[in-house]
Amino acid sequence: QVQLQESGPGLVKPSETLSLTCTVSGGSISSYYWSWIRQPAGKGLEWIGRIYTSGSTNYNPSLKSRVTMSVDTSKNQFSLKLSSVTAADTAVYYCARERGGSSGYYYFDYWGQGTLVTVSS
Amino acid sequence: EIVLTQSPGTLSLSPGERATLSCRASQSVSSSYLAWYQQKPGQAPRLLIYGASSRATGIPDRFSGSGSGTDFTLTISRLEPEDFAVYYCQQYGSSPQGFTFGPGTKVDIK
Repeated sequence: QVQLQESGPGLVKPSETLSLTCTVSGGSISSYYWSWIRQPAGKGLEWIGRIYTSGSTNYNPSLKSRVTMSVDTSKNQFSLKLSSVTAADTAVYYCARERGGSSGYYYFDYWGQGTLVTVSS
Repeated sequence: EIVLTQSPGTLSLSPGERATLSCRASQSVSSSYLAWYQQKPGQAPRLLIYGASSRATGIPDRFSGSGSGTDFTLTISRLEPEDFAVYYCQQYGSSPQGFTFGPGTKVDIK
């Protein structure tokens, strides 16, 4: 059973960089796209972007200028950096595995439990 | 950019009743790229339906999805107590848009 676990600071100061890591267990990180998705309290889901195990990335156009994703296949981990954060970036951040491409379908089949990141001084 | 709209915003029903949730896209969406998720408080979303009508592994057959083009529907044939939750539709658009989610429909107990 594939499991994902987010980790990183729960509190980030305004204007600084939010950094999170997702560790994948129970399966290989290889040959999949891996995404970050966030959810402000009481609101809906926003896709941040995704990374393939080759390092190829796609980002949400609304966040693209501030997002960087990376992958470390040796550790079965992938990471998110979001720069110049403001209070509007306060949210629960989820990592998720994407099923897509060769299957012809595009959806998220495994999710982490989520981690709350608060932007505050 | 494709925008998803879900209706109603809240659906108040009793256990045993039928729930019909709508997801409408601002432009035609490939059925293969449309999915539905269930989210309970404090939990991550859970995949229910992919490809507009295929149930994910372990999902009870009271959940069904249908639709094409711009109009998609999630139906819960008989609500069980554990089905009261928020439901999101999701679509995939080619780069640069990526994935977008609808605003959600909350199914609560009447």
